[in-house]
Amino acid sequence: EVQLVESGGGLVQPGGSLRLSCAASGFTFSSYEMNWVRQAPGKGLEWVSYISSSGSTIYYADSVKGRFTISRDNAKNSLYLQMNSLRAEDTAVYYCARDLGQQLPWGQGTLVTVSS
Amino acid sequence: QAVLTQPASLSASPGASASLTCTLRSGINVGTYRIYWYQQKPGSPPQYLLRYKSDSDKQQGSGVPSRFSGSKDASANAGILLISGLQSEDEADYYCMIWHSSSWVFGGGTKLTVL
Repeated sequence: EVQLVESGGGLVQPGGSLRLSCAASGFTFSSYEMNWVRQAPGKGLEWVSYISSSGSTIYYADSVKGRFTISRDNAKNSLYLQMNSLRAEDTAVYYCARDLGQQLPWGQGTLVTVSS
Repeated sequence: QAVLTQPASLSASPGASASLTCTLRSGINVGTYRIYWYQQKPGSPPQYLLRYKSDSDKQQGSGVPSRFSGSKDASANAGILLISGLQSEDEADYYCMIWHSSSWVFGGGTKLTVL
């Protein structure tokens, strides 16, 4: 069964850091580009970051550039998002997802709350 | 101005058709883009519906009813998701998406109410 399981969310103070993980199973992780997409409470979807299958190509949304770092470990079938200098507006459910242009299931998401 | 603009809400009756629009910002030509559509129901991650660029370049998601179809209105510079024969289960949020300037871009979403 194909699964993407996010973890690492929680409550963090403004200016703090958090590292999200996404454990993949049921498919050849190393063959797929991956993305992080977030959704603030009651709001729409916002793409956060993209990483190619090899990790050689990375893109970020302007809203997180310079603060967030995406990475992957194909040997561990895992995707990561290091989030630094967190702001209240980063509060959201963070989803990991394979190629967004294909019909591929997303994870259930992990909630990140940035608040003092 | 946002890259993709969707009406915030739309209401339609069961059995009727609903046309959800996704307007591209001026200067971004809808003809050159694949427009992707996702459906999201409360408490669940989004689910892929279909993509549409042209009648020769389109893809229906597996298991997605043929009641859902994509098209474009070049004069309005917009992508369209048409849902025919509306059912109560179609009540959800719908998002359009494109790949633009090395980024995935989502529209703000349309909340479809079937009543």
